[in-house]
Amino acid sequence: AQTVTQSQPEMSVQEAETVTLSCTYDTSENNYYLFWYKQPPSRQMILVIRQEAYKQQNATENRFSVNFQKAAKSFSLKISDSQLGDTAMYFCAFMKVTYSGAGSYQLTFGKGTKLSVIP
Amino acid sequence: DADVTQTPRNRITKTGKRIMLECSQTKGHDRMYWYRQDPGLGLRLIYYSFDVKDINKGEISDGYSVSRQAQAKFSLSLESAIPNQTALYFCATSDFAGGPSTDTQYFGPGTRLTVL
Repeated sequence: AQTVTQSQPEMSVQEAETVTLSCTYDTSENNYYLFWYKQPPSRQMILVIRQEAYKQQNATENRFSVNFQKAAKSFSLKISDSQLGDTAMYFCAFMKVTYSGAGSYQLTFGKGTKLSVIP
Repeated sequence: DADVTQTPRNRITKTGKRIMLECSQTKGHDRMYWYRQDPGLGLRLIYYSFDVKDINKGEISDGYSVSRQAQAKFSLSLESAIPNQTALYFCATSDFAGGPSTDTQYFGPGTRLTVL
């Protein structure tokens, strides 16, 4: 079974600054995907970024980037130039990949980090 | 229009009542999922469906049932609601037709259910 740990229940950052959210995971699988989802006060779950474990290069999406350390089983999210709209719960999630498809469905979530962006 | 919709958005019901939560998608995805979110616990999978004829239990299926009426519709039922089913419920969809590289789950807006 996989576990995902987010060790920072709450964080805050000044507007325009950079913040890093931590995530570690435990798995014996070699082939998997990792995700960061954002849940603003509207409660919608929004995909922020995705990383394939077989890719060495860290994923980036505009102001969002990850630091993926496969050997350390670490997957942190960096938000640059923080904006008020970034205020949200952030969830790290893991998904095992099997190419037959049967195993590629279970998203395991961490408990989340509440990020507040301060004006 | 939203790609994944859920109805109702909020619902208050009483213990013992039957309730159905509905999910519809216009993304054309083959896979659909129901999750529940409780404070401090993240999201947990209730049921998932790979296609209309393939429905499977997730980690917390007791007390729930589902129906995949069409590729685009996936309903979650609570046959006899109890207070500890009070939670935020999410529907999600994904597209495995393109293989694992496209199999990312996209979520609906959620349904807040309160069982008194």
